[in-house]
Amino acid sequence: NAGVTQTPKFRILKIGQSMTLQCTQDMNHNYMYWYRQDPGMGLKLIYYSVGAGITDKGEVPNGYNVSRSTTEDFPLRLELAAPSQTSVYFCASSLSYNSPLHFGNGTRLTVT
Amino acid sequence: AQSVTQLDSQVPVFEEAPVELRCNYSSSVSVYLFWYVQYPNQGLQLLLKYLSGSTLVKGINGFEAEFNKSQTSFHLRKPSVHISDTAEYFCAVGSGGYQKVTFGIGTKLQVIP
Repeated sequence: NAGVTQTPKFRILKIGQSMTLQCTQDMNHNYMYWYRQDPGMGLKLIYYSVGAGITDKGEVPNGYNVSRSTTEDFPLRLELAAPSQTSVYFCASSLSYNSPLHFGNGTRLTVT
Repeated sequence: AQSVTQLDSQVPVFEEAPVELRCNYSSSVSVYLFWYVQYPNQGLQLLLKYLSGSTLVKGINGFEAEFNKSQTSFHLRKPSVHISDTAEYFCAVGSGGYQKVTFGIGTKLQVIP
C-alpha cells in the first residue's frame, strides 16, 4: 500500500496564480483532511471530508477550495495565491472519526 | 471548542536520560488523544493513542503516555532517549462525532550525545 500520496513535493507560485495540490489514498478511508503547517504554529485544519461528495470547512478555509468526487482523491485548490499561503501542506486520511490520521509527506509551497 | 497546549517548544535532553513532553487539553465532551512524531521533511507518524480504557498507553519506540482526566493532561514519557528520537512531537485532541482533530504547536526534542 502506498498510503497517502501528495503531489507535487515542492512548488513556487507567483502572487495571483492558481494551483491544485493533489492527494490520493489507497486505504479506502472515508475521512480525509487538509492541514497547513507553519513554524511554531502546529497544524491548522483547512478543509475536511467525511465521505465522497461531503466537504466542510476547518479553521482556516479562506483562499482554498476542495472537492471529493471519489473516496480516494481529495484535491486542494488555491485560487489567487497570496504570500500568506506560503506553507507546508499535509493531506491526511483516517478510517473513522476517532481513528489515527495517516499523513502524506507534504507539499512545500512558496508564493512570491 | 477544544484546544491543546504544549507547554515546552523545545526540550534538550542528554542521550539515555529520561524525558517528559507535556500536553494539556481542554474540551467540554469526551476526548480522544494522540501523540505524533515528525522527522525532518516528513509527514507526521502516530506514536500512540488514547480512546478509552487504561489510562496508561504504550506506543512505538518505547514511548508511553498517561491520560489524566482530572488534570486534563496527556504527557508523553520515555525512560531513556536515543539520538534517533530527535524530532518534533505533536499532541492532538479530538472530540465529538466528526473528527476535527486539534493539534498543539509541537515540542522539538533535541537529544544531546
